[in-house]
Amino acid sequence: EAGVAQSPRYKIIEKRQSVAFWCNPISGHATLYWYQQILGQGPKLLIQFQNNGVVDDSQLPKDRFSAERLKGVDSTLKIQPAKLEDSAVYLCASSPRLAGAVYNEQFFGPGTRLTVL
Amino acid sequence: DAKTTQPTSMDCAEGRAANLPCNHSTISGNEYVYWYRQIHSQGPQYIIHGLKNNETNEMASLIITEDRKSSTLILPHATLRDTAVYYCIVRVGQDEKLTFGTGTRLTIIP
Repeated sequence: EAGVAQSPRYKIIEKRQSVAFWCNPISGHATLYWYQQILGQGPKLLIQFQNNGVVDDSQLPKDRFSAERLKGVDSTLKIQPAKLEDSAVYLCASSPRLAGAVYNEQFFGPGTRLTVL
Repeated sequence: DAKTTQPTSMDCAEGRAANLPCNHSTISGNEYVYWYRQIHSQGPQYIIHGLKNNETNEMASLIITEDRKSSTLILPHATLRDTAVYYCIVRVGQDEKLTFGTGTRLTIIP
């Protein structure tokens, strides 16, 4: 079974520029997450989608970050304009939504490392 | 905020059992204990989870104290590939959100 795919793997931009990340979840997974991981810290949830609807975006800086999940499959995360403090690894994860399951394991992609200069 | 406390780092000799502690003294009755690990330059990987009984799978064992205020993840025969950051997370079963702390950096020494 193919895992979660992300691209690009690395991106270097200057502050105030725009950047977009792409995620392709595991086939059939209803739930998709974007996390931000700053160096030395654990991942922090930015946004959670259930199919193509937003479940939780409480920690997404909406003045500069946006995300969409068209047709409930692939997703893109955009930053516009980027700030120095946005330098981080952006992780995408997906999980199935199995009926009656107490827990649905999250499968993570390799992440995109963003450097803002 | 993360509801767990873990040591910042630990070392373990290759081939020995690695025992990673986690304190979760404020855990609620309906919260599970989960463990994930993150190998360098990779995304986190699920290891195991439990409610109150000890659990074992092909990767590890999870020992939860009777009062549920702490737990220990055991890697029975550590290999160099087990070098990673290990995260202990507590959450309600139906709540899919994962709240990561800073974890324990485990280094397996040859």
